[in-house]
Amino acid sequence: DQQVKQNSPSLSVQEGRISILNCDYTNSMFDYFLWYKKYPAEGPTFLISISSIKDKNEDGRFTVFLNKSAKHLSLHIVPSQPGDSAVYFCAASASLSGSARQLTFGSGTQLTVLP
Amino acid sequence: GAGVSQSPRYKVTKRGQDVALRCDPISGHVSLYWYRQALGQGPEFLTYFNYEAQQDKSGLPNDRFSAERPEGSISTLTIQRTEQRDSAMYRCASSPGMGGLNTEAFFGQGTRLTVV
Repeated sequence: DQQVKQNSPSLSVQEGRISILNCDYTNSMFDYFLWYKKYPAEGPTFLISISSIKDKNEDGRFTVFLNKSAKHLSLHIVPSQPGDSAVYFCAASASLSGSARQLTFGSGTQLTVLP
Repeated sequence: GAGVSQSPRYKVTKRGQDVALRCDPISGHVSLYWYRQALGQGPEFLTYFNYEAQQDKSGLPNDRFSAERPEGSISTLTIQRTEQRDSAMYRCASSPGMGGLNTEAFFGQGTRLTVV
């Protein structure tokens, strides 16, 4: 029972174009969402996050959109660069009073940006 | 060190042996998490600590798995009587706070465990 789903295992985009990575979730208790980027032989690194009280968060070339009614979020990268080529994980967490936020991850999308 | 450090990076063990995986979190980070990642999947939560207290171990697959963080810093994940299905990447992460919206977890490079 996957609570966080990334249905596209891979995505190829031309350099300079927009990359759109999608993520769906089923647990309505999730209220905080994150994207992690992972290069080969490295651990995942935090990229950007969004709280459920917002529908958009932007940080430079990266924007995350949240559609709570559809239980869907997406990561937009524009313009895409070859260095963005990595596996992108969507993650979500639920607010647990007094507790740290354990993350539920999707299975990842391999983004390849072609020069 | 500057980041989360895990050792060993690679561990090959025979079925039935016990293994201990070590995590050295970022200095001062309150929360420490253990995740397991199968090939082609995202990390799956195992357990976490706030300081030395184990807050949630609901993700541990069975009682062969245990974790400790006795002094609120370094943590050890122990797997007893390893089985082939335990083979995976084991990832440790730490975060500075216990909650709130700005406590993103920082991950280590992981320990690749192979049980033969």
